[in-house]
Amino acid sequence: AQTVTQSQPEMSVQEAETVTLSCTYDTSESDYYLFWYKQPPSRQMILVIRQEAYKQQNATENRFSVNFQKAAKSFSLKISDSQLGDAAMYFCAYRNSITQGGSEKLVFGKGTKLTVNP
Amino acid sequence: EPEVTQTPSHQVTQMGQEVILRCVPISNHLYFYWYRQILGQKVEFLVSFYNNEISEKSEIFDDQFSVERPDGSNFTLKIRSTKLEDSAMYFCASSEPRGFSYNEQFFGPGTRLTVL
Repeated sequence: AQTVTQSQPEMSVQEAETVTLSCTYDTSESDYYLFWYKQPPSRQMILVIRQEAYKQQNATENRFSVNFQKAAKSFSLKISDSQLGDAAMYFCAYRNSITQGGSEKLVFGKGTKLTVNP
Repeated sequence: EPEVTQTPSHQVTQMGQEVILRCVPISNHLYFYWYRQILGQKVEFLVSFYNNEISEKSEIFDDQFSVERPDGSNFTLKIRSTKLEDSAMYFCASSEPRGFSYNEQFFGPGTRLTVL
């Protein structure tokens, strides 16, 4: 079974600074997807960024980027120019590739609570 | 922008009572999911549903749980006899038809279930 580990229960960053959230995962599959979800106090889960395992290039979405190390099974999220609105729980998640008949379910880590200090 | 909606936002019930949590997925989506999050813990998969049947379920999803798509728009999760440990946030999600190599799961805002 796949597992996702987030070793940082809490992180804090100064506004406008950069922060990196860590995530490691375990799988025997070669094709899969990795995601970072944001869960603000309103509780709705919002997709921040995704990475396809077959792509070597790291995904980027505006101020959010990932460092995907497939061999190390590591998938960290970097938030640049942090803003107060970035404060939230961040969940790393894994999903098998559907095209290979894999499970559709998302497997989540325990989350990292990010505080942004003004 | 289309979104997944869930009702109620908060449900309080007595232990042993039945509860039904409701979700309206995005209209052209065909895959539906329920996840739960016990306070302070990670989000856990409960069940996925496609073509009017369960496609996958976790070990959490025992006989006390059932899902249904009673009409063309609603997707429900029923807990027959609630237990204290069922207290959690329940999230519904939906995704587009299979055939896309990646189909994002869109989450609703959640229903907080409190069992007393």
